[in-house]
Amino acid sequence: DSGVTQTPKHLITATGQRVTLRCSPRSGDLSVYWYQQSLDQGLQFLIQYYNGEERAKGNILERFSAQQFPDLHSELNLSSLELGDSALYFCASSVGTGRSYEQYFGPGTRLTVT
Amino acid sequence: DAKTTQPPSMDCAEGRAANLPCNHSTISGNEYVYWYRQIHSQGPQYIIHGLKNNETNEMASLIITEDRKSSTLILPHATLRDTAVYYCPDGGGDSSYKLIFGSGTRLLVRP
Repeated sequence: DSGVTQTPKHLITATGQRVTLRCSPRSGDLSVYWYQQSLDQGLQFLIQYYNGEERAKGNILERFSAQQFPDLHSELNLSSLELGDSALYFCASSVGTGRSYEQYFGPGTRLTVT
Repeated sequence: DAKTTQPPSMDCAEGRAANLPCNHSTISGNEYVYWYRQIHSQGPQYIIHGLKNNETNEMASLIITEDRKSSTLILPHATLRDTAVYYCPDGGGDSSYKLIFGSGTRLLVRP
């Protein structure tokens, strides 16, 4: 158990819909990262927040957005869902945002778009 | 794209050492070498990291070459539960310290 929690574990929805994935980082961790893992793309970095502020963006679609709240939990919002958005979505957290800080991953949310 | 390269698969016998190589020829001087593993579809699990010196923890040992262009993760006594995909992700090279994962090495530990 990494200490990072994600809800829900599974999500099944239809194309065109909008969903919200939630992540609670480990106690004391200020940085949150979101990753997407699909069969054909592998693990892809989406976005990072540090202490409430966006720090970096990766291959995140414009239909996707995220935020980190004052209590440091984070939400990833996915809208206008397409079949290709079906994937595992992982959240990770770290104490800081320096190079020496390892990231701890949550168990993931499996999204299925039908 | 990942800047690290790993063999796609390896296997070893249970109880023997597993040595997993990683080439990171473009690593910058202040970038750490990280290793993670993923068992089935669980979240990636942090294993170990280092900068220049060799490192050891309760899970594994990390050997980094002097020129830092390659590293080896050593599982000293592999068990069946060590069967997983092992990654040495690239650090991205910018201030975000995101991890860029390649395809990893699928390690099969045989009984």
